[in-house]
Amino acid sequence: TQLLEQSPQFLSIQEGENLTVYCNSSSVFSSLQWYRQEPGEGPVLLVTVVTGGEVKKLKRLTFQFGDARKDSSLHITAAQPGDTGLYLCAGYYSGYSTLTFGKGTMLLVSP
Amino acid sequence: DSGVTQTPKHLITATGQRVTLRCSPRSGDLSVYWYQQSLDQGLQFLIQYYNGEERAKGNILERFSAQQFPDLHSELNLSSLELGDSALYFCASSPLLGAGGYTFGSGTRLTVV
Repeated sequence: TQLLEQSPQFLSIQEGENLTVYCNSSSVFSSLQWYRQEPGEGPVLLVTVVTGGEVKKLKRLTFQFGDARKDSSLHITAAQPGDTGLYLCAGYYSGYSTLTFGKGTMLLVSP
Repeated sequence: DSGVTQTPKHLITATGQRVTLRCSPRSGDLSVYWYQQSLDQGLQFLIQYYNGEERAKGNILERFSAQQFPDLHSELNLSSLELGDSALYFCASSPLLGAGGYTFGSGTRLTVV
């Protein structure tokens, strides 16, 4: 069974602060995705990374895939209350047809 | 609207009962996934169907079953319900097998009393 760990589990910050959340695995990912889930809704895909060392930007969000494709980070610059939600990383492992999800990082951004 | 439709949105039922959750995937998506989400366990994969056939099973209890119909909609049947089955149940769909992102529905909140 593949294990995908996210840290921290919970993060509470003030509007305007920067933050980074992490996703780690003991096995290599074929590809990795980040989702955001708001209360009462399903997760929504933010980005997919495939190549080791890849960096993708989505407005104030920067996603990085580790060189060895075993880890990833999500950095948010100048967080806003609208960024509040559960951030989930999910990866495909070789030989598996389904995504493995981490338990997520719950982010609360206060005005 | 994500394009994945789940009904009902809320369901309250008694222990020992049986319920059916329904999912219509996004147009063109052949793969359907069912997940259970609770506060302490996160998103738990239950089962996957691709073009009508079961392709992968996760931590799905024997009391639970699912199927995907020729029109690609899927149903998740939960029987002999227990208090611990109370959770959010999500359906997701994707066009491919083993690649690409998932589109999730808004979920069904099941409360067993």
